[in-house]
Amino acid sequence: GAGVSQSPSNKVTEKGKDVELRCDPISGHTALYWYRQSLGQGLEFLIYFQGNSAPDKSGLPSDRFSAERTGGSVSTLTIQRTQQEDSAVYLCASRRASGGQETQYFGPGTRLLVL
Amino acid sequence: KQEVTQIPAALSVPEGENLVLNCSFTDSAIYNLQWFRQDPGKGLTSLLLIQSSQREQTSGRLNASLDKSSGRSTLYIAASQPGDSATYLCAVKRVYNFNKFYFGSGTKLNVKP
Repeated sequence: GAGVSQSPSNKVTEKGKDVELRCDPISGHTALYWYRQSLGQGLEFLIYFQGNSAPDKSGLPSDRFSAERTGGSVSTLTIQRTQQEDSAVYLCASRRASGGQETQYFGPGTRLLVL
Repeated sequence: KQEVTQIPAALSVPEGENLVLNCSFTDSAIYNLQWFRQDPGKGLTSLLLIQSSQREQTSGRLNASLDKSSGRSTLYIAASQPGDSATYLCAVKRVYNFNKFYFGSGTKLNVKP
């Protein structure tokens, strides 16, 4: 079946503009995660959704970052007033259920460049 | 706080060599540990998942071990091939919050033909 998809695959924006990144998880997966990967760094957890609610948003770096999930499916990560340090690859992952045992399936990521 | 470290950051080996990638973590109260592979321009692919009660997992030429008490895991790749060239990431989940992964910064592997 189809995997996790993300759009756009690449985004170049000017400092100060808002951007929206989209994640389509695997159908039926109730858990959804957003991560950020800066150049040469590991993945940094941003936010976790279980269904439409976000029980853990502790990784969002500032109030410029927000995310929502609707219908238990598609999720959007929004970055307002982008800064150059927001440049990174933003990865989305989904998992079938809550709990720890099952693996997460990752999308290809959105490469964001803020000029 | 859980910190995950991977050594070396980069590794270049000739084809056919056996190699070991290292991962260490500071908090031994982990739920599980997972090794991923990341290819350029692509997402992560899960290689091996080790539950906290397990000592190792094997899949083909890959073997991952876990020593919780010392906070270490190794990924052993036998008879390396050029197709193994990628970045390898380890990630742990803590007992206190098993919905959250803590990732290392990865080991970039290059297998030369």
